[in-house]
Amino acid sequence: SAVISQKPSRDICQRGTSLTIQCQVDSQVTMMFWYRQQPGQSLTLIATANQGSEATYESGFVIDKFPISRPNLTFSTLTVSNMSPEDSSIYLCSVEGVRRNEQFFGPGTRLTVL
Amino acid sequence: GQQLNQSPQSMFIQEGEDVSMNCTSSSIFNTWLWYKQDPGEGPVLLIALYKAGELTSNGRLTAQFGITRKDSFLNISASIPSDVGIYFCAGLYSHAGKSTFGDGTTLTVKP
Repeated sequence: SAVISQKPSRDICQRGTSLTIQCQVDSQVTMMFWYRQQPGQSLTLIATANQGSEATYESGFVIDKFPISRPNLTFSTLTVSNMSPEDSSIYLCSVEGVRRNEQFFGPGTRLTVL
Repeated sequence: GQQLNQSPQSMFIQEGEDVSMNCTSSSIFNTWLWYKQDPGEGPVLLIALYKAGELTSNGRLTAQFGITRKDSFLNISASIPSDVGIYFCAGLYSHAGKSTFGDGTTLTVKP
């Protein structure tokens, strides 16, 4: 399986600021995704990061709040903009594996907004 | 949208006991995935199932893709303390990323 790293691993931020989370994969992957996991909850897909084009957002998530970049097949960033305490969550990068429909996750970025 | 019911929500067992958890859905899936998440970590893929009726093992873990394509179960035999964590099922109909996740089963193993 691909090795996925995320930076930062955790951060504490002030309300109204923005944080950019980086995801690096050790091999080229076609599909990359960003998920949110709120405290004690399951995983919710934010968007699919498309290489060379705008990300595809799920219902309830918008580009102005969660801008995403995907400059190549091994790297993506997710920005959480104008943060509020409700944005406190774990943000996870995910990629599709070699085998059909397999999906692997990075270690996550634990964000706390004060 | 699609919803998964994962049960039980939590389990407290003695080391050495067997564990069973399951997920059911009102919709059919063509892939079932089972993950384990340790505190402070991302989910780790344990088993992937692709065909109705498929039974797959990974060490002490066994998972099955229900024949109706609407359910799946995960069994853990002879549990050990490092089995502690949250187990998630995920059902998928179309392609990777479009998974529907269960709410998780929190497993506690008492030595």
